Amino acid sequence: QKEVEQNSGPLSVPEGAIASLNCTYSDRGSQSFFWYRQYSGKSPELIMSIYSNGDKEDGRFTAQLNKASQYVSLLIRDSQPSDSATYLCAVTLKTSYDKVIFGPGTSLSVIP
Amino acid sequence: GAVVSQHPSWVICKSGTSVKIECRSLDFQATTMFWYRQFPKQSLMLMATSNEGSKATYEQGVEKDKFLINHASLTLSTLTVTSAHPEDSSFYICSAKTGPYSNQPQHFGDGTRLSIL
Repeated sequence: QKEVEQNSGPLSVPEGAIASLNCTYSDRGSQSFFWYRQYSGKSPELIMSIYSNGDKEDGRFTAQLNKASQYVSLLIRDSQPSDSATYLCAVTLKTSYDKVIFGPGTSLSVIP
Repeated sequence: GAVVSQHPSWVICKSGTSVKIECRSLDFQATTMFWYRQFPKQSLMLMATSNEGSKATYEQGVEKDKFLINHASLTLSTLTVTSAHPEDSSFYICSAKTGPYSNQPQHFGDGTRLSIL
């Protein structure tokens, strides 16, 4: 089992719709979770971080965490073409709080 | 805040050349920096963790003599790809954290695209 898995893409949604990105992780002791966005040819940029069970909202983005299910998700409301990118889920390890493990990424295309 | 600068952004050089990439934290001190490599259509692969004033910790399968890392100050880490060959061509990205705690995210530089001819 891979340490961090994400729903396989590519994911296509129409402009204005909600995009749902999912991530599961294997280390039950993980404490911190991050979502990064990476445009083609660019480096990742941090979108959201979440540490406690429940929802965390920031503008059009909502991160959801369920530690019991070892599941974290990112919802993008009112999707815009500029949201088209690869979204990376990153999870800290219980054994090494400095490092994060990145998932393979989900490619999102928002269709005008 | 939390700006990480990486230089150069593009390198094209001949096989056998050594290439140095710099990673700087501009507005914070970074005791720990990370070096990643990313091949097309693939996710980030951690190469090594760079700690200020000590030896870097390399991930399994990464040749420490091939990829030399120096973290001489709290704001600068360098990666030197020694005797580079075409298979070393990749997108190299550094990141830094603002502190040692797990809830502090990594902030990434803009990356260096390395092409070995």
